[in-house]
Amino acid sequence: DGGITQSPKYLFRKEGQNVTLSCEQNLNHDAMYWYRQDPGQGLRLIYYSQIVNDFQKGDIAEGYSVSREKKESFPLTVTSAQKNPTAFYLCASKDSGYTDTQYFGPGTRLTVL
Amino acid sequence: GENVEQHPSTLSVQEGDSAVIKCTYSDSASNYFPWYKQELGKRPQLIIDIRSNVGEKKDQRIAVTLNKTAKHFSLHITETQPEDSAVYFCAAGWNSGNTPLVFGKGTRLSVIA
Repeated sequence: DGGITQSPKYLFRKEGQNVTLSCEQNLNHDAMYWYRQDPGQGLRLIYYSQIVNDFQKGDIAEGYSVSREKKESFPLTVTSAQKNPTAFYLCASKDSGYTDTQYFGPGTRLTVL
Repeated sequence: GENVEQHPSTLSVQEGDSAVIKCTYSDSASNYFPWYKQELGKRPQLIIDIRSNVGEKKDQRIAVTLNKTAKHFSLHITETQPEDSAVYFCAAGWNSGNTPLVFGKGTRLSVIA
């Protein structure tokens, strides 16, 4: 788990502002994922990337954008189009080999003021 | 696509008793079933997983069973302790490749001392 870092831990945003959440991994994993967690809602997939320079929308991609220019980095931008962005955001990466274990970062708690 | 249902949403047990959490999945092609434990404010952490070529797997006080025919799998925690209190998530996916896991909505387990 220590191989995935997210920053910042807490983030406050005013309505109408875009913010970018950082996710870095040094596990040499090809696949990376962004989840949103709300109370009682479990883990909902926002975007995922299976390889550098490629990414796909998840279940709740509206109002979010991502990039994957480097293998170790998968930043998430929460745009002003996201109507209810206050949530706990978790980044994850996965070993594409047989072990298939998915590891999570420590999360970023975003609050819209 | 895959759909994972998890029950119950909350579970309270007395310390020393057993706890069982059940999940069902819809896609018969899924062959990898991990369980994650998430303590308050922390990241989900993998506690045990099972692949479809195995019916049961045990690690000390925790065990997972899989019924491929019925498409359900369960987490069993024996001799529960207060530190087992957390939210537990089941997930289903494919053993290889980077297709995202699909998560259940979680079970909040409270172990009462």
